[in-house]
Amino acid sequence: GNSVTQMEGPVTLSEEAFLTINCTYTATGYPSLFWYVQYPGEGLQLLLKATKADDKGSNKGFEATYRKETTSFHLEKGSVQVSDSAVYFCALTPVWEAGTALIFGKGTTLSVSS
Amino acid sequence: DSGVTQTPKHLITATGQRVTLRCSPRSGDLSVYWYQQSLDQGLQFLIQYYNGEERAKGNILERFSAQQFPDLHSELNLSSLELGDSALYFCASSVSLAGADEQYFGPGTRLTVT
Repeated sequence: GNSVTQMEGPVTLSEEAFLTINCTYTATGYPSLFWYVQYPGEGLQLLLKATKADDKGSNKGFEATYRKETTSFHLEKGSVQVSDSAVYFCALTPVWEAGTALIFGKGTTLSVSS
Repeated sequence: DSGVTQTPKHLITATGQRVTLRCSPRSGDLSVYWYQQSLDQGLQFLIQYYNGEERAKGNILERFSAQQFPDLHSELNLSSLELGDSALYFCASSVSLAGADEQYFGPGTRLTVT
């Protein structure tokens, strides 16, 4: 079936550190891949997405590349800020399904200190 | 502000009761999704509607039901509530059925069953 596995948190970093959050997926065909972010007390917001192999999604200094050969979509940022503290969810929408619901990983909590 | 509204923001009720959660999608969005977020299960897809018709079902219990009305707002009905139904319920909307579409999330309804 379709599933998403992302690294367990929490991830604790100092400001300006490099961030990587690993995400791998299982799916048939070529799913669309997403990173959503949830700030405390809020709903989820799309951070970036990629819809085909080798696509790179980017937004607000975050990047992730759709790697079909390794079924991965790791999130990276070169220099994190305190305001990046949030929960990050990797997700996919499967192909060959009647609906287009998101399948989420369990989320990774990022805490950035100054 | 995602443009998706959910009411109520908080709901506290007793076991065995029935509640209705309401969602208004972004203007122009035809697809509505319901998700449940809990500590043990993470973010799980419940059900999707598109232009008034049920499109896909996820891990939705038989005690739960939903509908989308002609004005495209949606309601999620939860009955015979159990303690384990306590969770954050999110509604999301997207413009079409394309898997690559961004889903816009509402702020959620926090349900507490006592």
